[in-house]
Amino acid sequence: DTEVTQTPKHLVMGMTNKKSLKCEQHMGHRAMYWYKQKAKKPPELMFVYSYEKLSINESVPSRFSPECPNSSLLNLHLHALQPEDSALYLCASTQRTWQGELFFGEGSRLTVL
Amino acid sequence: AQSVTQLGSHVSVSEGALVLLRCNYSSSVPPYLFWYVQYPNQGLQLLLKYTTGATLVKGINGFEAEFKKSETSFHLTKPSAHMSDAAEYFCAVSDHYNTDKLIFGTGTRLQVFP
Repeated sequence: DTEVTQTPKHLVMGMTNKKSLKCEQHMGHRAMYWYKQKAKKPPELMFVYSYEKLSINESVPSRFSPECPNSSLLNLHLHALQPEDSALYLCASTQRTWQGELFFGEGSRLTVL
Repeated sequence: AQSVTQLGSHVSVSEGALVLLRCNYSSSVPPYLFWYVQYPNQGLQLLLKYTTGATLVKGINGFEAEFKKSETSFHLTKPSAHMSDAAEYFCAVSDHYNTDKLIFGTGTRLQVFP
């Protein structure tokens, strides 16, 4: 099973809403990532969890709140977002970060109205 | 700090023609280099990687890349393009000082014409 599953695939929310994106992997990987990708751009790293602890926060605004309940799950809580936050949010996981072999989910496409 | 530069945001080839996507890196230490592919409305998938050892690396779907230290390059090639190769390709380098991070290039969109 070499799959990273993200839900929902599409999400539309208003600027006052609170919503969450979910990511799940069952490959026993020890690190999980959130990336943000705007159209025609490369993915931008947001957060990294290593052994369920936040190891990297790339100065992401506090309206994005990550959570890692256990080694298989990663959530991204969204609150008071702006229209410019509309993007594809990608989750990834890896066992061996120094070899860079990230396994990506298909992403959650977020639209903020 | 490590970085990668992809020359050409768009590359168009005919089906059956050679595919060449260019990537140059900047690194003060031996780099770990990667190529990822992204098909429309999907996540990224690892095509191939160079860490140590043989400088010619073979990946999935018939792609290969050669690490050339003298040219600081890691170009991606495929002898014969297929329509299904149309996608966005990203070169990436592992941050030596924080190996949890991958540094992506700006991407190259490959179009394949019949």
